[in-house]
Amino acid sequence: GAVVSQHPSRVICKSGTSVKIECRSLDFQATTMFWYRQFPKQSLMLMATSNEGSKATYEQGVEKDKFLINHASLTLSTLTVTSAHPEDSSFYICSAPRGSNQPQHFGDGTRLSIL
Amino acid sequence: QKEVEQNSGPLSVPEGAIASLNCTYSDRGSQSFFWYRQYSGKSPELIMSIYSNGDKEDGRFTAQLNKASQYVSLLIRDSQPSDSATYLCAVTSTLTFGKGTMLLVSP
Repeated sequence: GAVVSQHPSRVICKSGTSVKIECRSLDFQATTMFWYRQFPKQSLMLMATSNEGSKATYEQGVEKDKFLINHASLTLSTLTVTSAHPEDSSFYICSAPRGSNQPQHFGDGTRLSIL
Repeated sequence: QKEVEQNSGPLSVPEGAIASLNCTYSDRGSQSFFWYRQYSGKSPELIMSIYSNGDKEDGRFTAQLNKASQYVSLLIRDSQPSDSATYLCAVTSTLTFGKGTMLLVSP
């Protein structure tokens, strides 16, 4: 069964809306979680590394004020897309490893469509 | 900079054939290697992990690792149309991903 749960699976909303996506590790504690974005027919792009109890680490070119990440507990990280616009429409996926040198487990992804 | 290279494909094979997917990586200190399968519109799912040199078999899948050559491969025996997907190679738990190889298995 799933070990990482991501919600919601799909969001359709108007431009200017802020959207929150949740990522939960179900049966393990994750001090680190990862957020990815994938545009159609393109590869996964790492957006940021979410660190429990401290600030997220953003990849170059990702606006930290646009994509707010909160990792308030060992089992939950949230990504908030603030004031979303059509160009933010994409497939957002989170992942978490069970431990050092262990594989990542991915959530089912969130398809975000901004009208 | 840590890099993982994969041929983007598509790799086309007939049903029942062996599909061979290859990946090279730049970080000699890498300890763990993973293959993921991603169907269109879905998130990646882990299919194989390999940590030591040699072959590791799981059903129709065999992962091969050669650390000296910095090379990891995935063989899919008796390929099925349902195997058609993009296969992502990943190195270490920080997940440096390759861009993926699209596999097309024709009936």
